[in-house]
Amino acid sequence: EADIYQTPRYLVIGTGKKITLECSQTMGHDKMYWYQQDPGMELHLIHYSYGVNSTEKGDLSSESTVSRIRTEHFPLTLESARPSHTSQYLCASSTYGVGEQYFGPGTRLTVT
Amino acid sequence: EDQVTQSPEALRLQEGESSSLNCSYTVSGLRGLFWYRQDPGKGPEFLFTLYSAGEEKEKERLKATLTKKESFLHITAPKPEDSATYLCAVQKETSGSRLTFGEGTQLTVNP
Repeated sequence: EADIYQTPRYLVIGTGKKITLECSQTMGHDKMYWYQQDPGMELHLIHYSYGVNSTEKGDLSSESTVSRIRTEHFPLTLESARPSHTSQYLCASSTYGVGEQYFGPGTRLTVT
Repeated sequence: EDQVTQSPEALRLQEGESSSLNCSYTVSGLRGLFWYRQDPGKGPEFLFTLYSAGEEKEKERLKATLTKKESFLHITAPKPEDSATYLCAVQKETSGSRLTFGEGTQLTVNP
C-alpha cells in the first residue's frame, strides 16, 4: 500500500543532542516537504525538495537541515536540539506539477 | 502580503445541525485551494482541491465551494466523527507546489 511514514512518532530528548527525524514515502512522488506545527497553530513550511539532490529552505526559518539522496527518503536533522525546537514535525509529499500534498502521521518532538 | 484566514476559530454543533466553515484568501495568482482534515496528534488528511471560481466538490457530508475571494466547507447533518480541525491551504502560480495554510477551524459535533 502506497503511504508516507515518519519515525519516531514521539521523541523526548535532552538539550544539545543530535537528532534525525525520518520520513519515507512509497508513492513515487518527486516532491517532499517538512512542516512545523505548534499546538493550535498553522503549519509552517521549513524545508522542501523537488527531487534527488535538490533541497530548499521554506517560509519559516529553521536551524534544521535536510538531505535528499534517494527519491523516497527525506530525513531532517537537528545538530544540537534546544527547548525552542519542541514542536510537531510533519512530512508530506506530492507529485510533479499541481497537486495535493499527502502527509505522514508526524513526529512530536520534546526537548528538555 | 498573501493571507489565508479561516473562520470561525472554533465551532460547536449538535449532531445533525448543518453549518459552514469559511476560508478567505488574499493571494495573487491562485493556482489551487485545498481543504484538509486534521485529527489531534495526526497529520492532515487531504479532502478536496478547488481550482477555479464556481467549482464545487462533494464527499459524503462535506461540500466545498470556491469564489474569487473565499471558499466554504459546508457540513450537512454532521456526526460526532466529523469532529476535527479543518485546514484550508492555497497554492500560488508563482510558488511552485508550496502551500500556505490557514490556522484552521476546530469543529466539535456533540451527540
